[in-house]
Amino acid sequence: DTAVSQTPKYLVTQMGNDKSIKCEQNLGHDTMYWYKQDSKKFLKIMFSYNNKELIINETVPNRFSPKSPDKAHLNLHINSLELGDSAVYFCASSRGQGVNTDTQYFGPGTRLTVL
Amino acid sequence: AQRVTQPEKLLSVFKGAPVELKCNYSYSGSPELFWYVQYSRQRLQLLLRHISRESIKGFTADLNKGETSFHLKKPFAQEEDSAMYYCALIILTGGGNKLTFGTGTQLKVEL
Repeated sequence: DTAVSQTPKYLVTQMGNDKSIKCEQNLGHDTMYWYKQDSKKFLKIMFSYNNKELIINETVPNRFSPKSPDKAHLNLHINSLELGDSAVYFCASSRGQGVNTDTQYFGPGTRLTVL
Repeated sequence: AQRVTQPEKLLSVFKGAPVELKCNYSYSGSPELFWYVQYSRQRLQLLLRHISRESIKGFTADLNKGETSFHLKKPFAQEEDSAMYYCALIILTGGGNKLTFGTGTQLKVEL
C-alpha cells in the first residue's frame, strides 16, 4: 500500500547510456514531481506535471525527459548519462497544483551512479 | 528570487538538550513554509508546516516575518530525532506549486 513508489531503488550504469526511472502514486493525486538530491544533500526540483501536463521545468538539460502516461505515473528518462547525473532522484506527488499549502508526498528515492 | 538558507550543515547536541535548527528565507510574497525530515535510509516526509501551527514529535516552528525566519525547535532532544532536516518554501508559480528547499541540516543527537 505504498503511496509513492519508485523503481529501481539503485541504478548503476556507464557514461553515455540511456536509462529510465519509474514513479507511481496511488494517492489519487493530480500533481507529480521529480527532484534531484546531489552529493551534498541539496534538493532541487526538476519537473512538475499536473494531470499529465508539464507545468514546471527548472532549466534541466534536455537529456532529461519526463513522461506521464497517466496522472498516476511520472517516469524520468535520461539520455547520454554523464558523471554529474549521479545523484538520488526523488519522485513526489500532491493533491493539486493550485493549493498553496498542499503537502507533497515523496517516494523512497532512486540512487543513480554513473561510472 | 526566493531562497531558503539553513546556515548549519551539521548540528550535534546531547540527548535531553534543547534543539534549534535555523531557517531563514527570502521571498517577496506571502510565504508558506514547511519542515521536512529524512531519517536514515527513509524517504523525505513532512514534519510540520507553519500554517498548521502544530507540534509534531515535540517540534514546533514559528514563522517570524520580521526576521524572515522559521526556526525549528524542540525543548529536549531524543536519540530518534537524529536525521536530516530540510526547511522549504512553497510558492505558486504561473504553472503550479514549487517547493524550494534549503541545503539541509544534519541533526545528530548523542547520548
